[in-house]
Amino acid sequence: AQSVTQLGSHVSVSEGALVLLRCNYSSSVPPYLFWYVQYPNQGLQLLLKYTTGATLVKGINGFEAEFKKSETSFHLTKPSAHMSDAAEYFCAVQNTGNQFYFGTGTSLTVIP
Amino acid sequence: NAGVMQNPRHLVRRRGQEARLRCSPMKGHSHVYWYRQLPEEGLKFMVYLQKENIIDESGMPKERFSAEFPKEGPSILRIQQVVRGDSAAYFCASSPFRDNQPQHFGDGTRLSIL
Repeated sequence: AQSVTQLGSHVSVSEGALVLLRCNYSSSVPPYLFWYVQYPNQGLQLLLKYTTGATLVKGINGFEAEFKKSETSFHLTKPSAHMSDAAEYFCAVQNTGNQFYFGTGTSLTVIP
Repeated sequence: NAGVMQNPRHLVRRRGQEARLRCSPMKGHSHVYWYRQLPEEGLKFMVYLQKENIIDESGMPKERFSAEFPKEGPSILRIQQVVRGDSAAYFCASSPFRDNQPQHFGDGTRLSIL
Protein backbone atom coordinates (compact mmCIF):
# COMPACT_ATOMS: atom_id res chain seq x y z
CA ALA A 1 0.00 0.00 0.00
CA GLN A 2 1.03 3.55 -0.62
CA SER A 3 1.71 6.01 2.16
CA VAL A 4 2.16 9.74 2.24
CA THR A 5 4.11 11.59 4.93
CA GLN A 6 3.83 15.30 5.49
CA LEU A 7 6.54 16.51 7.82
CA GLY A 8 5.32 19.22 10.14
CA SER A 9 1.65 19.35 10.99
CA HIS A 10 1.95 23.10 11.62
CA VAL A 11 4.15 25.56 9.73
CA SER A 12 4.38 29.30 10.41
CA VAL A 13 5.98 31.80 8.07
CA SER A 14 6.11 35.56 7.95
CA GLU A 15 4.26 37.38 5.22
CA GLY A 16 6.58 37.65 2.22
CA ALA A 17 8.77 34.73 3.31
CA LEU A 18 9.32 31.47 1.49
CA VAL A 19 6.75 28.74 2.02
CA LEU A 20 8.02 25.15 2.05
CA LEU A 21 5.67 22.29 2.84
CA ARG A 22 7.18 18.83 2.74
CA CYS A 23 5.71 15.65 1.31
CA ASN A 24 7.29 12.24 0.94
CA TYR A 25 5.61 9.16 -0.45
CA SER A 26 6.33 5.48 -0.53
CA SER A 27 5.81 3.77 -3.83
CA SER A 28 7.56 1.15 -5.86
CA VAL A 29 6.54 2.87 -9.07
CA PRO A 30 6.24 6.58 -9.80
CA PRO A 31 2.72 7.53 -8.81
CA TYR A 32 0.61 10.51 -9.68
CA LEU A 33 1.01 13.27 -7.12
CA PHE A 34 -1.25 16.10 -6.03
CA TRP A 35 -1.40 19.00 -3.62
CA TYR A 36 -4.72 20.24 -2.32
CA VAL A 37 -5.62 23.26 -0.19
CA GLN A 38 -8.50 23.45 2.27
CA TYR A 39 -9.87 26.71 3.63
CA PRO A 40 -12.04 26.69 6.76
CA ASN A 41 -15.44 25.11 6.32
CA GLN A 42 -14.75 24.19 2.73
CA GLY A 43 -13.77 21.13 0.76
CA LEU A 44 -10.37 20.49 -0.77
CA GLN A 45 -9.32 22.38 -3.87
CA LEU A 46 -6.67 21.15 -6.26
CA LEU A 47 -3.52 23.28 -6.24
CA LEU A 48 -1.41 21.31 -8.68
CA LYS A 49 -0.65 17.85 -9.94
CA TYR A 50 2.25 15.85 -11.32
CA THR A 51 1.60 13.04 -13.77
CA THR A 52 4.43 12.79 -16.28
CA GLY A 53 6.85 15.10 -17.99
CA ALA A 54 8.42 18.13 -16.38
CA THR A 55 9.21 17.49 -12.75
CA LEU A 56 8.63 21.10 -11.70
CA VAL A 57 4.92 21.71 -11.67
CA LYS A 58 3.27 25.11 -11.38
CA GLY A 59 -0.12 25.48 -9.79
CA ILE A 60 -2.59 28.15 -8.81
CA ASN A 61 -1.91 31.06 -6.46
CA GLY A 62 1.84 31.07 -7.20
CA PHE A 63 2.54 27.62 -5.76
CA GLU A 64 4.78 25.07 -7.37
CA ALA A 65 6.11 21.64 -6.50
CA GLU A 66 8.99 19.53 -7.68
CA PHE A 67 8.86 15.77 -8.12
CA LYS A 68 12.15 14.20 -7.06
CA LYS A 69 12.09 10.50 -7.75
CA SER A 70 15.43 9.82 -6.05
CA GLU A 71 14.12 11.38 -2.84
CA THR A 72 10.51 10.18 -3.26
CA SER A 73 9.49 13.72 -2.47
CA PHE A 74 7.01 16.26 -3.80
CA HIS A 75 7.55 19.38 -1.71
CA LEU A 76 5.32 22.43 -2.18
CA THR A 77 6.83 25.89 -2.35
CA LYS A 78 5.86 29.50 -2.84
CA PRO A 79 8.46 32.25 -2.99
CA SER A 80 6.50 34.84 -1.03
CA ALA A 81 3.73 34.03 1.44
CA HIS A 82 0.54 36.02 1.45
CA MET A 83 -1.97 36.28 4.28
CA SER A 84 -4.55 34.56 2.09
CA ASP A 85 -2.32 31.45 1.92
CA ALA A 86 -3.21 30.53 5.49
CA ALA A 87 -4.99 27.19 5.15
CA GLU A 88 -4.58 23.43 5.48
CA TYR A 89 -2.53 21.73 2.77
CA PHE A 90 -2.75 18.07 1.81
CA CYS A 91 -0.42 16.01 -0.31
CA ALA A 92 -1.94 13.02 -2.11
CA VAL A 93 -0.80 10.07 -4.18
CA GLN A 94 -2.85 8.20 -6.75
CA ASN A 95 -1.98 4.68 -7.80
CA THR A 96 -2.86 3.00 -11.06
CA GLY A 97 -5.93 1.47 -9.46
CA ASN A 98 -7.46 4.93 -9.14
CA GLN A 99 -7.11 4.87 -5.36
CA PHE A 100 -5.92 7.95 -3.52
CA TYR A 101 -3.83 8.24 -0.38
CA PHE A 102 -3.67 11.50 1.56
CA GLY A 103 -1.15 12.83 4.02
CA THR A 104 -2.32 14.06 7.40
CA GLY A 105 -2.11 17.67 6.32
CA THR A 106 -0.03 20.72 7.18
CA SER A 107 -1.63 23.80 8.66
CA LEU A 108 0.02 26.95 7.33
CA THR A 109 -0.07 30.11 9.42
CA VAL A 110 1.09 33.39 7.89
CA ILE A 111 2.31 35.99 10.35
CA PRO A 112 1.83 39.63 9.36
CA ASN B 1 -20.59 23.04 -14.77
CA ALA B 2 -21.64 21.93 -11.33
CA GLY B 3 -19.02 20.50 -9.06
CA VAL B 4 -19.48 17.79 -6.48
CA MET B 5 -22.64 18.51 -4.55
CA GLN B 6 -23.12 17.36 -1.00
CA ASN B 7 -26.21 17.79 1.09
CA PRO B 8 -27.07 18.70 3.63
CA ARG B 9 -24.19 21.03 4.53
CA HIS B 10 -25.05 20.69 8.20
CA LEU B 11 -26.89 17.84 9.87
CA VAL B 12 -27.85 17.55 13.51
CA ARG B 13 -28.95 14.24 14.96
CA ARG B 14 -29.64 12.89 18.42
CA ARG B 15 -27.87 9.79 19.65
CA GLY B 16 -29.51 6.66 18.28
CA GLN B 17 -30.95 8.31 15.18
CA GLU B 18 -29.89 7.66 11.60
CA ALA B 19 -27.87 10.05 9.47
CA ARG B 20 -27.98 10.04 5.67
CA LEU B 21 -25.42 12.04 3.74
CA ARG B 22 -25.79 12.55 0.01
CA CYS B 23 -23.24 13.16 -2.69
CA SER B 24 -23.80 13.90 -6.36
CA PRO B 25 -20.55 13.54 -8.30
CA MET B 26 -19.41 15.82 -11.05
CA LYS B 27 -20.92 15.17 -14.45
CA GLY B 28 -19.06 12.41 -16.19
CA HIS B 29 -17.50 11.04 -13.02
CA SER B 30 -18.24 7.44 -12.25
CA HIS B 31 -16.23 7.04 -9.05
CA VAL B 32 -17.03 8.35 -5.61
CA TYR B 33 -14.95 8.45 -2.44
CA TRP B 34 -16.02 9.25 1.11
CA TYR B 35 -13.72 10.68 3.76
CA ARG B 36 -14.13 11.69 7.39
CA GLN B 37 -12.31 14.63 8.91
CA LEU B 38 -12.08 15.40 12.60
CA PRO B 39 -10.82 18.74 13.98
CA GLU B 40 -7.02 18.98 13.83
CA GLU B 41 -6.87 15.69 11.95
CA GLY B 42 -6.37 14.83 8.34
CA LEU B 43 -8.68 13.08 5.96
CA LYS B 44 -9.51 9.51 6.82
CA PHE B 45 -10.49 7.38 3.86
CA MET B 46 -13.72 5.50 4.36
CA VAL B 47 -14.97 3.96 1.13
CA TYR B 48 -14.49 4.02 -2.64
CA LEU B 49 -17.45 3.23 -4.88
CA GLN B 50 -18.29 2.84 -8.51
CA LYS B 51 -21.86 2.76 -9.79
CA GLU B 52 -23.57 -0.18 -8.07
CA ASN B 53 -20.27 -1.50 -6.80
CA ILE B 54 -18.08 -1.04 -3.73
CA ILE B 55 -14.42 -1.04 -4.79
CA ASP B 56 -12.74 -0.56 -1.41
CA GLU B 57 -14.41 -0.22 1.99
CA SER B 58 -11.33 -0.82 4.10
CA GLY B 59 -11.81 2.47 5.94
CA MET B 60 -15.41 1.90 6.93
CA PRO B 61 -16.25 0.98 10.51
CA LYS B 62 -17.56 -2.57 10.62
CA GLU B 63 -20.84 -1.65 12.25
CA ARG B 64 -23.48 1.04 11.71
CA PHE B 65 -21.87 2.51 8.58
CA SER B 66 -22.82 1.71 5.00
CA ALA B 67 -22.48 3.34 1.60
CA GLU B 68 -24.04 2.92 -1.78
CA PHE B 69 -23.82 4.47 -5.21
CA PRO B 70 -26.88 3.34 -7.16
CA LYS B 71 -27.26 3.32 -10.90
CA GLU B 72 -29.49 6.37 -10.64
CA GLY B 73 -29.19 9.09 -8.06
CA PRO B 74 -26.58 10.25 -5.60
CA SER B 75 -24.20 8.26 -3.48
CA ILE B 76 -25.43 7.83 0.08
CA LEU B 77 -23.38 7.41 3.25
CA ARG B 78 -25.61 6.03 5.96
CA ILE B 79 -24.83 5.99 9.65
CA GLN B 80 -27.24 4.07 11.85
CA GLN B 81 -27.70 4.60 15.59
CA VAL B 82 -25.36 7.56 15.67
CA VAL B 83 -23.13 8.19 18.67
CA ARG B 84 -21.28 11.32 19.82
CA GLY B 85 -18.07 10.06 18.26
CA ASP B 86 -19.63 10.21 14.81
CA SER B 87 -19.56 14.01 14.93
CA ALA B 88 -17.23 15.08 12.14
CA ALA B 89 -17.08 16.60 8.68
CA TYR B 90 -17.74 14.08 5.95
CA PHE B 91 -16.38 14.81 2.51
CA CYS B 92 -17.23 13.26 -0.79
CA ALA B 93 -14.96 13.34 -3.81
CA SER B 94 -15.43 12.11 -7.35
CA SER B 95 -13.15 11.26 -10.23
CA PRO B 96 -13.39 9.85 -13.73
CA PHE B 97 -11.94 6.43 -14.16
CA ARG B 98 -8.75 7.55 -15.81
CA ASP B 99 -5.29 7.56 -14.42
CA ASN B 100 -3.73 10.89 -13.47
CA GLN B 101 -7.03 12.66 -13.01
CA PRO B 102 -7.46 14.31 -9.60
CA GLN B 103 -10.36 13.98 -7.25
CA HIS B 104 -12.82 16.83 -7.00
CA PHE B 105 -14.27 17.49 -3.58
CA GLY B 106 -17.58 18.69 -2.30
CA ASP B 107 -17.84 21.19 0.55
CA GLY B 108 -18.70 18.48 3.03
CA THR B 109 -21.47 17.68 5.46
CA ARG B 110 -20.86 18.66 9.05
CA LEU B 111 -22.56 16.14 11.29
CA SER B 112 -23.26 17.06 14.88
CA ILE B 113 -24.60 14.55 17.36
CA LEU B 114 -26.48 15.87 20.38
